Amino acid sequence: GQQLNQSPQSMFIQEGEDVSMNCTSSSIFNTWLWYKQDPGEGPVLLIALYKAGELTSNGRLTAQFGITRKDSFLNISASIPSDVGIYFCAGHSSNTGKLIFGQGTTLQVKP
Amino acid sequence: GAVVSQHPSRVICKSGTSVKIECRSLDFQATTMFWYRQFPKQSLMLMATSNEGSKATYEQGVEKDKFLINHASLTLSTLTVTSAHPEDSSFYICSARDWGRGTEAFFGQGTRLTVV
Repeated sequence: GQQLNQSPQSMFIQEGEDVSMNCTSSSIFNTWLWYKQDPGEGPVLLIALYKAGELTSNGRLTAQFGITRKDSFLNISASIPSDVGIYFCAGHSSNTGKLIFGQGTTLQVKP
Repeated sequence: GAVVSQHPSRVICKSGTSVKIECRSLDFQATTMFWYRQFPKQSLMLMATSNEGSKATYEQGVEKDKFLINHASLTLSTLTVTSAHPEDSSFYICSARDWGRGTEAFFGQGTRLTVV
């Protein structure tokens, strides 16, 4: 089945540092989504990418849809303590109509 | 816009009883809703896809008689965990897709189910 490999699994950084995480897949996706989940809450959509090569920003967040349509990355610049949480990538396949999630990246920010 | 409300947020039930979880799209019509289960420190596992007016499509390994899904309207889908057992304790999350916005999916707040 379709799988997403998300890395790194966890990160512990200093406030103010930039962060980068990525997802790769053996399959092509037509949409890449990035979500953030706080403990005990549902995931919140951060950025949606619809075209190969697309680069989209949302405040301090920037994400790109890989040219091959099999990967995506998310960058967070100048991290702050409220960036703490679990970040998930998700790929949507038009073949199955399903949203496939990566394993998540747990981010911890030290003030 | 694109708000999905899930209720209840927490529920504790006795083993052998059934529990119903509701998922509502508040400001859009959702022809498709999805139900996920999430174990601690793990990713979201798709359980089933719920389509308005038709039977849900379950993922492999998910018992349809155990997890009853009803998508009776364009704004409401329900998940009923029947004859719950302690191993059913988990975090259940629904999501809904607003086709007018493309393939983005918006999530409810999740329901923490504890079966004692």
